[in-house]
Amino acid sequence: GQQLNQSPQSMFIQEGEDVSMNCTSSSIFNTWLWYKQDPGEGPVLLIALYKAGELTSNGRLTAQFGITRKDSFLNISASIPSDVGIYFCAGTGDQGAQKLVFGQGTRLTINP
Amino acid sequence: NAGVMQNPRHLVRRRGQEARLRCSPMKGHSHVYWYRQLPEEGLKFMVYLQKENIIDESGMPKERFSAEFPKEGPSILRIQQVVRGDSAAYFCASSLVLGGKNIQYFGAGTRLSVL
Repeated sequence: GQQLNQSPQSMFIQEGEDVSMNCTSSSIFNTWLWYKQDPGEGPVLLIALYKAGELTSNGRLTAQFGITRKDSFLNISASIPSDVGIYFCAGTGDQGAQKLVFGQGTRLTINP
Repeated sequence: NAGVMQNPRHLVRRRGQEARLRCSPMKGHSHVYWYRQLPEEGLKFMVYLQKENIIDESGMPKERFSAEFPKEGPSILRIQQVVRGDSAAYFCASSLVLGGKNIQYFGAGTRLSVL
């Protein structure tokens, strides 16, 4: 089946630094979504992308849908303590399929 | 403005018992999805349902697992004769597919522990 490779697996940064993570696939995805998951909770949607090349911002978060439709990145600027958590990319692949395929996640830790 | 509601939040079962996980979608949403998450991993799709219909069950184990989304009431994920390997967090999502866009909103999950 389709797979998403997400990197890095973990990041340790200082408060105030910018963060970048990405997802790649060997096959085309039609939708890219970025979620954040806190311990003991479900994933919360951050950004949704629907068109190749689309660049979308949500506050300090920016994400892009790659031109080849096989990759996406998420940037977080000026990180703050509440950004700590696990970030997942997810996408819908096969035409018409509604199920989400998830990456393995990027665990973000921030040193104050 | 209730989101996706799942219960129970935590469920403990002994091997061989049955587990029933419930999910009430967001108001107005008619599409429900179930995912499973093992520790330190991403979510894995199990099943996609609309009211009274299973649309895609390609991620469901062939045995012991079943799901339903009746005309009235919540969606149910049922695991019969649980084994230790069923221990995981089970998440439900709901969506309203509009204009080709399918944004899935997740519940807080049910954490199943099999003793």
